Amino acid sequence: QAVLTQPPSVSEAPGQRVIISCTGSSSNIGAGYDVQWYQQLPGTAPKLLIYGSNNRPSGVPDRFSGSTSGTSGSLAITGLQAEDEADYYCQSFDRSLNYVFGSGTRVTVL
Amino acid sequence: QVQLVESGGGVVQPGRSLRLSCAVSGFTFSTYGMFWVRQTPGKGLEWVAVISSDGRNTYYADSVKGRFGISRDNSKNTLYLQMNSLKPEDTALYYCARGPRNMIVAVSHWFDPWGQGTLVTVSS
Repeated sequence: QAVLTQPPSVSEAPGQRVIISCTGSSSNIGAGYDVQWYQQLPGTAPKLLIYGSNNRPSGVPDRFSGSTSGTSGSLAITGLQAEDEADYYCQSFDRSLNYVFGSGTRVTVL
Repeated sequence: QVQLVESGGGVVQPGRSLRLSCAVSGFTFSTYGMFWVRQTPGKGLEWVAVISSDGRNTYYADSVKGRFGISRDNSKNTLYLQMNSLKPEDTALYYCARGPRNMIVAVSHWFDPWGQGTLVTVSS
């Protein structure tokens, strides 16, 4: 199974805020390695949403934000929209020189 | 614009081999590290391998070490993944993705952008 732990699903109404957690360990996030977040819409490849824990690539709305604390990272989506319905994955790096992913979270807009 | 296009997937019997390719355009391929990542419905996303910009350094997930080989031809702007001794658990959608610029050794980094993927099915 995945090295980083995420909740399987979160749901919220349009306009509301959701937070997705990503729990790692002292050998990855806790070692100071950045957390990245990817959005995967149905039938498409993952797309980079947040890099370096709290940076957005050009074109990503500022409704998406990231943060880290200790051995965990978080993705917040504010002003939830129907188009945000997707799977979200966190990713980091490990002292064993492995790139590790989260188990994925399905966001449903009610 | 930046494009990554995978090919070479298909149905293969356990124990056989397959070679995937990833043709890139829109950026200076030879200056970036490159990744292979796979995705299965049951196990989500899994990093497979990474190669340095010059092709000299490679790193692999434990699940494929000794069986898979990542390589690149910077003159052809193409990344490869040679998969040997395939197992049913290697069945997945395989993506290539761009990594760090001027990568020499494995470093913390993100995957951006990704190709559309090529499906590998290992079954008798």
